[in-house]
Amino acid sequence: DAKTTQPNSMESNEEEPVHLPCNHSTISGTDYIHWYRQLPSQGPEYVIHGLTSNVNNRMASLAIAEDRKSSTLILHRATLRDAAVYYCILRDRTLGSGGSNYKLTFGKGTLLTVNP
Amino acid sequence: ETGVTQTPRHLVMGMTNKKSLKCEQHLGHNAMYWYKQSAKKPLELMFVYSLEERVENNSVPSRFSPECPNSSHLFLHLHTLQPEDSALYLCASSQGDSRNEKLFFGSGTQLSVL
Repeated sequence: DAKTTQPNSMESNEEEPVHLPCNHSTISGTDYIHWYRQLPSQGPEYVIHGLTSNVNNRMASLAIAEDRKSSTLILHRATLRDAAVYYCILRDRTLGSGGSNYKLTFGKGTLLTVNP
Repeated sequence: ETGVTQTPRHLVMGMTNKKSLKCEQHLGHNAMYWYKQSAKKPLELMFVYSLEERVENNSVPSRFSPECPNSSHLFLHLHTLQPEDSALYLCASSQGDSRNEKLFFGSGTQLSVL
């Protein structure tokens, strides 16, 4: 499986932008880059994903390097509710006999602390 | 509310007990997953079901027995567990064959084995 590298922790101030980096130098041409986050006492939740182009949604933006060996999750204005562990994951596709399914291999992620 | 409901939220059991974890998804998805999250360790994929058929078993000990009676329900039957099995057990679902496939997780069952 292609692996990702993220800083163990980062700190930000409320209402400031946050840039969470992820390195994935062994990414293959068909790997999608997914980001999930896990708030305290909850299961992970989907944030955003992309393949080659930068992506925006209501939660965040994803900037993907031209060589796709790194990406950055951008939270434009951090709030206290954004404090969580953020996971950068390369999607690994497996094929089941009854159809397709995708398994995601989670790493340790980045613990984001947001200061008031 | 993610559309994936897990019960119970908390469970304490002895090593000789038999218990079951339940997961239900209301999203019409065709794939369901069990993940284990031990303290200070990454999430570990345990089982994957696609269209009610098990397609992945990540070398999980036989004291964990999954069951998927239909596409909306997933169980994890537990028997003769060890204290090191104490962890957060997370269920997830997804819709296969989709470029935009996302995993939707429940809130998990926090299991303590005494």
